[in-house]
Amino acid sequence: DSGVTQTPKHLITATGQRVTLRCSPRSGDLSVYWYQQSLDQGLQFLIHYYNGEERAKGNILERFSAQQFPDLHSELNLSSLELGDSALYFCASSVDGQASNSPLHFGNGTRLTVT
Amino acid sequence: AQSVTQLGSHVSVSEGALVLLRCNYSSSVPPYLFWYVQYPNQGLQLLLKYTTGATLVKGINGFEAEFKKSETSFHLTKPSAHMSDAAEYFCAVSERGGYQKVTFGIGTKLQVIP
Repeated sequence: DSGVTQTPKHLITATGQRVTLRCSPRSGDLSVYWYQQSLDQGLQFLIHYYNGEERAKGNILERFSAQQFPDLHSELNLSSLELGDSALYFCASSVDGQASNSPLHFGNGTRLTVT
Repeated sequence: AQSVTQLGSHVSVSEGALVLLRCNYSSSVPPYLFWYVQYPNQGLQLLLKYTTGATLVKGINGFEAEFKKSETSFHLTKPSAHMSDAAEYFCAVSERGGYQKVTFGIGTKLQVIP
């Protein structure tokens, strides 16, 4: 058990809809990262928050947004969903956002299916 | 910019045989290197990491990897494969200093044949 909790585990929704994915980081970790995993693209970095502030953006679409709350949990919002957004979305946490040798601790992911 | 190349998206080995998963990286500064493993329906978990010092790094479950700067490689090995090693393995690189950005390889699925 990594200590990172993601909900829900599965999400099935229709095109054009909006969903929210939730992540609680491991106790003591200040950084939260979001990744998208699909068969053709592999593991793609979306966004990183550190102690409530956005630290870096990766390949995140404008239809997607995220935030990290004062209690350090994070939400990833996906809107105007398309079939191609179907993927496994992972949250990961680390103890800080400065030391690049800190390992990432991953949750079990949310599997999103857009129909 | 940093990048990771994993040679072979699928690797099959017989139980008891040597496991060798290849990873080459590109980085403008000396990197930190990681191997993660993903079992079905689970998130990634850290196998081992190289930060500094000894270039041969030992990880969990009998895996080890050697950092070879001249070859820009960080191949993962295990002397004897076990059925429980069947999983997907990801090599990752991040740059020293400043902001931590982790770049993952495409992953290698390891099949262990009894």
